[in-house]
Amino acid sequence: EAQVTQNPRYLITVTGKKLTVTCSQNMNHEYMSWYRQDPGLGLRQIYYSMNVEVTDKGDVPEGYKVSRKEKRNFPLILESPSPNQTSLYFCASSLEGTDTQYFGPGTRLTVL
Amino acid sequence: DAKTTQPTSMDCAEGRAANLPCNHSTISGNEYVYWYRQIHSQGPQYIIHGLKNNETNEMASLIITEDRKSSTLILPHATLRDTAVYYCIVRVAHTGNQFYFGTGTSLTVIP
Repeated sequence: EAQVTQNPRYLITVTGKKLTVTCSQNMNHEYMSWYRQDPGLGLRQIYYSMNVEVTDKGDVPEGYKVSRKEKRNFPLILESPSPNQTSLYFCASSLEGTDTQYFGPGTRLTVL
Repeated sequence: DAKTTQPTSMDCAEGRAANLPCNHSTISGNEYVYWYRQIHSQGPQYIIHGLKNNETNEMASLIITEDRKSSTLILPHATLRDTAVYYCIVRVAHTGNQFYFGTGTSLTVIP
């Protein structure tokens, strides 16, 4: 089944403790992206990647890192999480030359 | 990419057509209009997109005004499962760059 998977789905952590949220897609998509969603602010793009080893900042990249060493994986790294990074995070992918993004199920992160 | 303006919320009676407006008065000639929707806290789902001509698929119809400064997404026979937040996005197609989702319109379909 074609899908985008994210792990973990739920995470509660403490300020300053490094964490990684994984994202994987099995559709051989070139484009992958991370978003965060907060009440009243909608969906905002954090980082995106047009292909392996190519990443760019979105609207709200501060406090996040990403890497794209393989086509299928696009992990989101929070080196030193802070409470303002408490949010619902979505990973998405799409085929090069199209704009139909497929979204993962979301990761609800709470930073205490 | 051009910004869009959508109403915050709308209601629609079940079985009736839901017409969701979007204003994109600063749209450029090479920018497409895309619609996605998000049901509860699930990941957004692509609905439809268009450039100039009206488009229709199994989910919805997209009507774009002649001057392209606004568009309307039409769900012809709304069901309770269509209750969701609908996002109108304007961007240059196939550039692989940023997506701006905004805050969308929260559509509630009423029984």
